[in-house]
Amino acid sequence: EDQVTQSPEALRLQEGESSSLNCSYTVSGLRGLFWYRQDPGKGPEFLFTLYSAGEEKEKERLKATLTKKESFLHITAPKPEDSATYLCAVRLLDTGGFKTIFGAGTRLFVKA
Amino acid sequence: GAVVSQHPSRVICKSGTSVKIECRSLDFQATTMFWYRQFPKQSLMLMATSNEGSKATYEQGVEKDKFLINHASLTLSTLTVTSAHPEDSSFYICSAGSGTSGVFSDTQYFGPGTRLTVL
Repeated sequence: EDQVTQSPEALRLQEGESSSLNCSYTVSGLRGLFWYRQDPGKGPEFLFTLYSAGEEKEKERLKATLTKKESFLHITAPKPEDSATYLCAVRLLDTGGFKTIFGAGTRLFVKA
Repeated sequence: GAVVSQHPSRVICKSGTSVKIECRSLDFQATTMFWYRQFPKQSLMLMATSNEGSKATYEQGVEKDKFLINHASLTLSTLTVTSAHPEDSSFYICSAGSGTSGVFSDTQYFGPGTRLTVL
């Protein structure tokens, strides 16, 4: 069964304390992996798209990496404004057509 | 980044009525638009992808006749929830992209969402 699992469910960091969020997946026919951040009650903000194992992308304090079974979102020296829910999603193609599966998200709290 | 608006931001309707939600890209031409729904405290679910001037591509398990999507121009897409019922109550979010790399855009800009409550 196609599955996307994010860990941890919640993460509390001190400002400046670097860490990583994990998105592991068991799917076939991967067509892309996506990272988003979402603030409560608001629409998501797109962060990254990764298409193949070994690919890396960076944006400010964030860096996303991809292997054949998981992706990491590394947060370097986080600030309180980085507090949000981070979602990952995988896009796959199977016999039924395209399907996008979202993980449940990781709630990040960064304390000043 | 680019701006995407949604209207209305909130709507309350009676069971059995149809509701139309608009999604507009204000400062760029969106070749692709996406519609999502999100239940309280749950993750996103992609419903469909639409390209301007062509029929929407629905995700597996999404009722095409229930959720009508129209992408008439490069700046406007609409989602109509037909014969809405309480179980359709949700947060509906659109996003717009201008990438050309296959089915999914490289970059997406999200609208603020529309909260639908069906009584």
